Amino acid sequence: GENVEQHPSTLSVQEGDSAVIKCTYSDSASNYFPWYKQELGKGPQLIIDIRSNVGEKKDQRIAVTLNKTAKHFSLHITETQPEDSAVYFCAASHATGNQFYFGTGTSLTVIP
Amino acid sequence: NAGVTQTPKFQVLKTGQSMTLQCAQDMNHNSMYWYRQDPGMGLRLIYYSASEGTTDKGEVPDGYNVSRLKKQNFLLGLESAAPSQTSVYFCASTPGTTSGNTIYFGEGSWLTVV
Repeated sequence: GENVEQHPSTLSVQEGDSAVIKCTYSDSASNYFPWYKQELGKGPQLIIDIRSNVGEKKDQRIAVTLNKTAKHFSLHITETQPEDSAVYFCAASHATGNQFYFGTGTSLTVIP
Repeated sequence: NAGVTQTPKFQVLKTGQSMTLQCAQDMNHNSMYWYRQDPGMGLRLIYYSASEGTTDKGEVPDGYNVSRLKKQNFLLGLESAAPSQTSVYFCASTPGTTSGNTIYFGEGSWLTVV
C-alpha cells in the first residue's frame, strides 16, 4: 500500500520568512496530492492540491511542487504571517480508488 | 453551506459503554470516511464507504462498526469503549469513487473514554 512520509514534524519561522514542508510517497500510481491546514480545534481544510500531470501550482503565497520521478512533493509558504501558524498535512490519493493516505503532520509556528 | 456535520462534538464515555458518532453531508457525495487523529500519528482511516449501502475497513477498524443506510449519513459505532479509543474523530466525504477528488472534513468529535 501507499506510505506517505512528512518532514519536518515541527517548524518555526520568523514572520516574513518562507516555510517549506516536504512529503514523499511510495506508490507511483498515486496521482493526486492535496495539502490541508488544520487550526486548533478544527477539522483539516484544503489549501492547495496538485495532480500528477502538473509540476507546480501556485495560489498567492502558497505553492506546491511535485517531482514524480523522485516521488516527492513540497508545500512552500512565502511571506509567512502569524495566521499561518497551524498543523499542515500532506496526502496522496491512489489512482485506483478513493482512499487517501496522510502524512503525520507538520506543526508550523510563525513568530511575530 | 453546512458541508460535513458531526455530532456530538464532545463526549465522555465510561469503559465498556457503547455510543454512535453521527455524520451528515449535504453535498451529495458518494464516498464517506471516518478517521481518528492521535498525537504524532496523523489521520488514520477507520472505515470508509464508497457508496450508499457499502462499507470497507480501513487501517484501524477493530472495536468499531459503521453503517451507511442513507447516502448523506455515515455512522460510526463503538461497541464497547476502551481507553485506547480516546481520540479525535473526523468524518469526511468526497464526490465520487474515482481518484483526484477533494476530500472535505467535518469539524471533529472529541471522545474521551475513562
